[in-house]
Amino acid sequence: NAGVTQTPKFQVLKTGQSMTLQCAQDMNHEYMSWYRQDPGMGLRLIHYSVGAGITDQGEVPNGYNVSRSTTEDFPLRLLSAAPSQTSVYFCASSYWPYRNNQPQHFGDGTRLSIL
Amino acid sequence: AQKVTQAQTEISVVEKEDVTLDCVYETRDTTYYLFWYKQPPSGELVFLIRRNSFDEQNEISGRYSWNFQKSTSSFNFTITASQVVDSAVYFCALRETGANSKLTFGKGITLSVRP
Repeated sequence: NAGVTQTPKFQVLKTGQSMTLQCAQDMNHEYMSWYRQDPGMGLRLIHYSVGAGITDQGEVPNGYNVSRSTTEDFPLRLLSAAPSQTSVYFCASSYWPYRNNQPQHFGDGTRLSIL
Repeated sequence: AQKVTQAQTEISVVEKEDVTLDCVYETRDTTYYLFWYKQPPSGELVFLIRRNSFDEQNEISGRYSWNFQKSTSSFNFTITASQVVDSAVYFCALRETGANSKLTFGKGITLSVRP
């Protein structure tokens, strides 16, 4: 089983460029989410989705867009990258609403640097 | 709003010492779930334990033990006879039930175990 797959693992962008971080899961999980991890800040929720066609904002949504056209995929888009978006990004998935006491499964992360 | 506080930011111990990582949470829900995750230097997030709010029984798994106390809203994690391989960042997290059901993380505790 692949679990949660994130691509790419590393990326360097210039300020103003756009890109999409990919996230796919093969566990038929309804709930998917994106976090960013910054030193001393823990993991902060960017956006999340409870099913195809449904997305909502988390704690730090500005500068990011998401969509959920299928159960399996939840891409994160940076429309105009800024140095403040330099971070490690994690995608996670879990069951919802039932069995939502189960732990979220995390991808291996994408390390993004904005120059 | 839900909140997780990990007041300790960095802890350094010598191998074989016992160490306790503190976690205090805030929630208005009566049903919620608490988690601990480990992030080793390689960067992935490893699920350690889940605790339901209605189950206050403490748990032991090898050298790891968890003390859940609803009266003080705490979910502390103790490593007995620490080893160098325990060096990592440890996150406590809270997930409420209901429509949002977001997972909120503390800022993490960096544990260094010296040989």
